[in-house]
Amino acid sequence: EPEVTQTPSHQVTQMGQEVILRCVPISNHLYFYWYRQILGQKVEFLVSFYNNEISEKSEIFDDQFSVERPDGSNFTLKIRSTKLEDSAMYFCASSVTLDRDNSYEQYFGPGTRLTVT
Amino acid sequence: GNSVTQMEGPVTLSEEAFLTINCTYTATGYPSLFWYVQYPGEGLQLLLKATKADDKGSNKGFEATYRKETTSFHLEKGSVQVSDSAVYFCALRGGTSYGKLTFGQGTILTVHP
Repeated sequence: EPEVTQTPSHQVTQMGQEVILRCVPISNHLYFYWYRQILGQKVEFLVSFYNNEISEKSEIFDDQFSVERPDGSNFTLKIRSTKLEDSAMYFCASSVTLDRDNSYEQYFGPGTRLTVT
Repeated sequence: GNSVTQMEGPVTLSEEAFLTINCTYTATGYPSLFWYVQYPGEGLQLLLKATKADDKGSNKGFEATYRKETTSFHLEKGSVQVSDSAVYFCALRGGTSYGKLTFGQGTILTVHP
């Protein structure tokens, strides 16, 4: 069964460093998402991406964050200068497309745990 | 904006007990509602969904009914198993925003033999 994969599973970085989290969505999917979950808190939406551009982003997704689909398979989240409060589990998801019924499932990867020290 | 509230956890049950995890939501328009499950070390998996009022989603013995009048989508299972131990998330999509999922805080379920 196709699945979303994410690398690395755990990333440790120092405050102020740049990190790139990588995701390989399911191959025929068109929409891509990043979410994060700070320990003990809710899973929060960061950004959605379609047709090589951001379709929606949350207020969390400020200028320190960027997303890219550098080739036909990868989808990346970059944090330019990490802060302690960026420590969280980051989930990538993908879905086929959206229709007006909003019924298309988002498939999630296993997550990357980012620890900023 | 959209929001989801789940019952406080964690929940600890004995095997074969009845499970209810409460979920209520706030949204404009007509959202779709979901329950996701996260097993240890894994990503979020869709457990069940309902896309309109009075729909009942079901999977693996779990059920939830979309109640527009009470803005609720409570998760139930008649007889839980040890293998059901996981974190359960209620979520919605739609209303004011397509695509984006809004999650509840998650409920940790532990089932003892």
